[in-house]
Amino acid sequence: DTGVSQNPRHKITKRGQNVTFRCDPISEHNRLYWYRQTLGQGPEFLTYFQNEAQLEKSRLLSDRFSAERPKGSFSTLEIQRTEQGDSAMYLCASSPGGERAEQYFGPGTRLTVT
Amino acid sequence: GEDVEQSLFLSVREGDSSVINCTYTDSSSTYLYWYKQEPGAGLQLLTYIFSNMDMKQDQRLTVLLNKKDKHLSLRIADTQTGDSAIYFCAEKDSSYKLIFGSGTRLLVRP
Repeated sequence: DTGVSQNPRHKITKRGQNVTFRCDPISEHNRLYWYRQTLGQGPEFLTYFQNEAQLEKSRLLSDRFSAERPKGSFSTLEIQRTEQGDSAMYLCASSPGGERAEQYFGPGTRLTVT
Repeated sequence: GEDVEQSLFLSVREGDSSVINCTYTDSSSTYLYWYKQEPGAGLQLLTYIFSNMDMKQDQRLTVLLNKKDKHLSLRIADTQTGDSAIYFCAEKDSSYKLIFGSGTRLLVRP
């Protein structure tokens, strides 16, 4: 399977705990994006990388959130001191370079904070 | 700011055509996309259109773009029960991120 993969698919955690999600993009895609989707809504942009450089962060990405993409391959999204409002689906997407830049999404990680 | 709006729900009979509509606000958008999401799954890219085109056809899918009115539509011909899903319209902004609508839930009745 050469699509975008995300792990874990589901995560249940207690409020206050830290969680980390991983995304493996399509190989040769140099852009990688993180989005968050809550029930009944479309995905909302969180941040994106071009290779290893984090080029943009949304206002949604509070200080408790951090994302990395070491070596420009896989990426991790960490949430510290989780809150119930962090419960959502976290989606990763990757795209090739160029203007068209269609994004291909992974299956998502569903986070539930109890 | 940028905003994308869609109607919430559409119900059609199997075999009929479905038309899902979307309006967007960013006139500088160069590409517009349609994605499909099935329950509990990620988003599947269906098709996209470049802003200098007014129509694109891809098998059962037809995308129409009215740039003057900032209106985008997706027509699905011969709709099947497997087409039941949520459909998202998205515009690409100048920094490459996608701005999504809230999605249109399509229900196909047998």
